[in-house]
Amino acid sequence: AQTVTQSQPEMSVQEAETVTLSCTYDTSESDYYLFWYKQPPSRQMILVIRQEAYKQQNATENRFSVNFQKAAKSFSLKISDSQLGDAAMYFCACRNTGNQFYFGTGTSLTVIP
Amino acid sequence: DTAVSQTPKYLVTQMGNDKSIKCEQNLGHDTMYWYKQDSKKFLKIMFSYNNKELIINETVPNRFSPKSPDKAHLNLHINSLELGDSAVYFCASSPWTGTNEKLFFGSGTQLSVL
Repeated sequence: AQTVTQSQPEMSVQEAETVTLSCTYDTSESDYYLFWYKQPPSRQMILVIRQEAYKQQNATENRFSVNFQKAAKSFSLKISDSQLGDAAMYFCACRNTGNQFYFGTGTSLTVIP
Repeated sequence: DTAVSQTPKYLVTQMGNDKSIKCEQNLGHDTMYWYKQDSKKFLKIMFSYNNKELIINETVPNRFSPKSPDKAHLNLHINSLELGDSAVYFCASSPWTGTNEKLFFGSGTQLSVL
């Protein structure tokens, strides 16, 4: 099985500032996909951003971007201009060619007004 | 229309009881999953089915038995419930490989065993 590690159980950021959430993963496969999901208190799992491992260009979605370092097996999420609605649990996930998704332990993000 | 729907949303029951959680997806996906999220928010895969066939069973007690009558449904039956089974259970679905498609989640079932 693959492993996904999020080393920051909790992070906080001032509103309008930038924060980076860390994620590393371990896989022996060459073809895989990486995701960041957000889980607000409503419990709903919301896709934030995704990255194909074969693409060198880092994915961006509005205020969200990733820093994908394939050799280091690192996939960090950067949130710019943080908003109160960004407060949530953030999960990093890796999908392998067998269509299995493995999740990290999550990072709880607090946004300070 | 809800893409992945699971029922019930909340389930409160006594230790030793048997309960089921139902899940249906209308996305035409081949693969369905059950995940368990414990009180620390760890999200762990329990089962994965592809076209009604079991693909993965991640060290889950025998008291948990998934059933997939067709590829749009994956139900979870739990026998002899224990206190440690209290958690949020998520059903999810995804197309088969070769795409960057995300995992589509249901809204979760919060199970409380008293």
